[in-house]
Amino acid sequence: GGIITQTPKFLIGQEGQKLTLKCQQNFNHDTMYWYRQDSGKGLRLIYYSITENDLQKGDLSEGYDASREKKSSFSLTVTSAQKNEMAVFLCASSMGAGTGQLYFGEGSKLTVL
Amino acid sequence: GDSVTQTEGLVTVTEGLPVKLNCTYQTTYLTIAFFWYVQYLNEAPQVLLKSSTDNKRTEHQGFHATLHKSSSSFHLQKSSAQLSDSALYYCALTPGNTGKLIFGLGTTLQVQP
Repeated sequence: GGIITQTPKFLIGQEGQKLTLKCQQNFNHDTMYWYRQDSGKGLRLIYYSITENDLQKGDLSEGYDASREKKSSFSLTVTSAQKNEMAVFLCASSMGAGTGQLYFGEGSKLTVL
Repeated sequence: GDSVTQTEGLVTVTEGLPVKLNCTYQTTYLTIAFFWYVQYLNEAPQVLLKSSTDNKRTEHQGFHATLHKSSSSFHLQKSSAQLSDSALYYCALTPGNTGKLIFGLGTTLQVQP
């Protein structure tokens, strides 16, 4: 089996701050994803990367940057944190694009003061 | 665009009674795969069921679902709900080989004694 590790688990930031979340997977999966989870809004796709060196925008990419440093890691940056923002960011990976079978990390919870 | 609709935000059922969670979708792709993901409290989402074959029943852990392309639906059912089934359930669609997994808003299932 494998595991997806997200760091940090909890992140507190200030309004306007640039904040970075990191994700590592040891499944040797090609495709990685970042989703945002808000209560009542489901899971919304921010960015995904089909293979190393690839980057694709999801429906919620505005206000975020992403970087696929290597096959096993995928980072997400909140470019300017919004005051009173609270959300959970979920990283996931899958064997390949189109399989739909995602393995998720436990999430990083962001709070902006 | 592609979308997934879960009409109920909360479903409450008494233990031992049947339960049905609704899911419909819209897509222009002919090749699709459908999933139900379950997220228990303080855990990561995980796959519960998967289907890509029209009119074929898929079962796992007592739950079952059938993809009906004629009505664009993939409802989740169980004949006898258990207290341990209480969780957040997401319906999700992979359209073609886009690499995306599009989630619905989620339905919280509460099973009461």
